[in-house]
Amino acid sequence: DAKTTQPNSMESNEEEPVHLPCNHSTISGTDYIHWYRQLPSQGPEYVIHGLTSNVNNRMASLAIAEDRKSSTLILHRATLRDAAVYYCILVNFGNEKLTFGTGTRLTIIP
Amino acid sequence: DAGVIQSPRHEVTEMGQEVTLRCKPISGHNSLFWYRQTMMRGLELLIYFNNNVPIDDSGMPEDRFSAKMPNASFSTLKIQPSEPRDSAVYFCASTPSWLAQETQYFGPGTRLLVL
Repeated sequence: DAKTTQPNSMESNEEEPVHLPCNHSTISGTDYIHWYRQLPSQGPEYVIHGLTSNVNNRMASLAIAEDRKSSTLILHRATLRDAAVYYCILVNFGNEKLTFGTGTRLTIIP
Repeated sequence: DAGVIQSPRHEVTEMGQEVTLRCKPISGHNSLFWYRQTMMRGLELLIYFNNNVPIDDSGMPEDRFSAKMPNASFSTLKIQPSEPRDSAVYFCASTPSWLAQETQYFGPGTRLLVL
């Protein structure tokens, strides 16, 4: 499986945008880029996913580099409820298998 | 929709005892996944099913672990006999279909402590 690399931790001030990076230099053409997050004492929850183009939804935006070797999850206005571990995961077309790395622990400073 | 339902939410047992964890996926979802989360190893995929058939059980740690999905609305993960190193949070997830662009919906987890 192609691997992803994320910073172990990040901090951001409340109500400011947050950019969470992910490197996936060995991504294949059929790998989707998924982001999940895990709030304290909860199961992971889906945030967003994309293949080639940038994506927006009500939770976040996903910016994908032109060569697809990196991506950035953007939280436009962080709140205290966004404090979580964020996982960037590559999912190959044809199967649903999620391989979780260590993720980025995001701390929001009031 | 109630989401993915797991029971029990907490389980404390003694080493050597049998433990059964239960999962009810979201109605209409065709794929089901069991994960385990520990501080040391993070989130690991144990086994997944598609249309009630086990597709990949390569993540199951050893023969003490077994999983079944007798029908589309119910799955069990059994540990027999349990050991202290099995202490972890076990998550069940389901997804509508076998496609890479589908979202996985996770349950709240079962926190297992084996003494």
